Amino acid sequence: DQQVKQNSPSLSVQEGRISILNCDYTNSMFDYFLWYKKYPAEGPTFLISISSIKDKNEDGRFTVFLNKSAKHLSLHIVPSQPGDSAVYFCAALLSNNAGNMLTFGGGTRLMVKP
Amino acid sequence: DGGITQSPKYLFRKEGQNVTLSCEQNLNHDAMYWYRQDPGQGLRLIYYSQIVNDFQKGDIAEGYSVSREKKESFPLTVTSAQKNPTAFYLCASSIYRGRRLFFGSGTQLSVL
Repeated sequence: DQQVKQNSPSLSVQEGRISILNCDYTNSMFDYFLWYKKYPAEGPTFLISISSIKDKNEDGRFTVFLNKSAKHLSLHIVPSQPGDSAVYFCAALLSNNAGNMLTFGGGTRLMVKP
Repeated sequence: DGGITQSPKYLFRKEGQNVTLSCEQNLNHDAMYWYRQDPGQGLRLIYYSQIVNDFQKGDIAEGYSVSREKKESFPLTVTSAQKNPTAFYLCASSIYRGRRLFFGSGTQLSVL
């Protein structure tokens, strides 16, 4: 049973417009969320994160929104650029005695058209 | 330059063969992880290690083995018991109980 879901496998956006990537989770114990960006044949790189005590975090063109009641988070990229074309993974963190474990969604492939 | 090095970039396995994927980090991180990515899917945790000489199974540990004899090294062996080994394997590290994982560039394993 997937605890973190990204229901849109792909998204196509025109350069300069806003890209909105969505992520849903089921476990209310998740207390920290991250977005990673991945290019083909490379490892994911960290993009932005948000703690469960916040509902918004902004870093330049990237903003993450968290709606705890809906168990939903989204990543907004504005304005979108062709270099943003990549696969984006959301990840949720659960802190327990074994350490901090990340659970990843299935990813959304973003294509930004010039 | 600090980072995580995975080798080789591409690896081919014959039927019944064990293969070992290398992961080395010079970030002085305590925790290391192995993930597997299949086409169109997310990352699934195979094994993780919070400290030297200790490691735990992740969600899909069957058919894999690891060791953590040194802080900077966390090799993954894909055994012949892993019936579907073709995937992109990612190694990651973090500080102890860290929230951010730093990833290597991955190893693509294919079966001949």
